[in-house]
Amino acid sequence: DSGVTQTPKHLITATGQRVTLRCSPRSGDLSVYWYQQSLDQGLQFLIQYYNGEERAKGNILERFSAQQFPDLHSELNLSSLELGDSALYFCASGAVQSAYGANVLTFGAGSRLTVL
Amino acid sequence: SQKIEQNSEALNIQEGKTATLTCNYTNYSPAYLQWYRQDPGRGPVFLLLIRENEKEKRKERLKVTFDTTLKQSLFHITASQPADSATYLCALALGGNKLTFGGGTRVLVKP
Repeated sequence: DSGVTQTPKHLITATGQRVTLRCSPRSGDLSVYWYQQSLDQGLQFLIQYYNGEERAKGNILERFSAQQFPDLHSELNLSSLELGDSALYFCASGAVQSAYGANVLTFGAGSRLTVL
Repeated sequence: SQKIEQNSEALNIQEGKTATLTCNYTNYSPAYLQWYRQDPGRGPVFLLLIRENEKEKRKERLKVTFDTTLKQSLFHITASQPADSATYLCALALGGNKLTFGGGTRVLVKP
């Protein structure tokens, strides 16, 4: 158990629908990162939050949005779903590790989204 | 544009041999580079970080080198074991905290 909790583990839905993925970071970590991993695209950075504020943005589609709440959990909202959105969605929490003096990520187990 | 490239071809290796993986990047000068391991259907797990001023870093049977002139990192697994079979990803912070991953190289260690 990495300490990063993601729900749901699996989700099957239809095109055009909207889903919400949830992530609780490791205790004490203020940063949350979202990644999408599909077979042909590898691990793609979507967005990062730090203590409730958006810090970095990747190639996140306009149909996708995210937020981080005061209790530091984060949600990734995916709307108007298309077949191509089927993927594993990972959340990671980041912390500067004193041994390295740099941000290292701890990933959750992922949420597998299937759009039919 | 900035790119991180890893050999997409799987690496098949005999148990006990050394596996060597390559990570090349372009159009960027990162302060550090990270390596992660990913098992099928699971999230990546952090292994090692090497800074731009470090030539080599070791952790147990793992060794990472970083050549900022060649813009390349090598990742070695010595005395490989079947349990080392996984996909290995390199990652760079491209622009602040945007940790970007290469496509990964799958390693299969045969007994």
